[in-house]
Amino acid sequence: EDQVTQSPEALRLQEGESSSLNCSYTVSGLRGLFWYRQDPGKGPEFLFTLYSAGEEKEKERLKATLTKKESFLHITAPKPEDSATYLCAVQAADSWGKLQFGAGTQVVVTP
Amino acid sequence: DAGVIQSPRHEVTEMGQEVTLRCKPISGHNSLFWYRQTMMRGLELLIYFNNNVPIDDSGMPEDRFSAKMPNASFSTLKIQPSEPRDSAVYFCASSRQGGNQPQHFGDGTRLSIL
Repeated sequence: EDQVTQSPEALRLQEGESSSLNCSYTVSGLRGLFWYRQDPGKGPEFLFTLYSAGEEKEKERLKATLTKKESFLHITAPKPEDSATYLCAVQAADSWGKLQFGAGTQVVVTP
Repeated sequence: DAGVIQSPRHEVTEMGQEVTLRCKPISGHNSLFWYRQTMMRGLELLIYFNNNVPIDDSGMPEDRFSAKMPNASFSTLKIQPSEPRDSAVYFCASSRQGGNQPQHFGDGTRLSIL
């Protein structure tokens, strides 16, 4: 069975203090790994898709990387507006369209 | 561009009542997904459609849940009769056709069954 585990569950950062979130997965053939950001009272907002080991994607202060067993979301010099829950999801090669989500990492960035 | 639109945003009703949640996907998206989010279980896929046809409803918890997509721009998720354990946030998402296209989510319906 496909599994996605995110760590830590919660992360409190000072503004400017860089850190990384982890997403470990087991899946029978990876079609894609997706990162989302979710703000309170809102739906998940798409950030990145990664398809193969070694791939990296960047957007502003966020950088996502992928290996065969895990993905990292690096937050560089975070600002308070980066506070959100970050969700990771995997899509297996044999499960068209279906995403398996992790429980998320809640990030709080204080000024 | 308009995103995925869900209504109502909040619904409070009594146990046993019928509940209907509505979703308008992004224009041009061929796939539509219904999810449920709770603190205990996180985001769970309930059902998804491709070109208005249900593809996989294995996540629908019970026969009390049903979903329809009568056309490319509208879908409903119905719970009848509703129970307190159905209380959750229900999200609709849509994507372009293709297995690895990103899904774009609406802002959800927060459902409370008393």
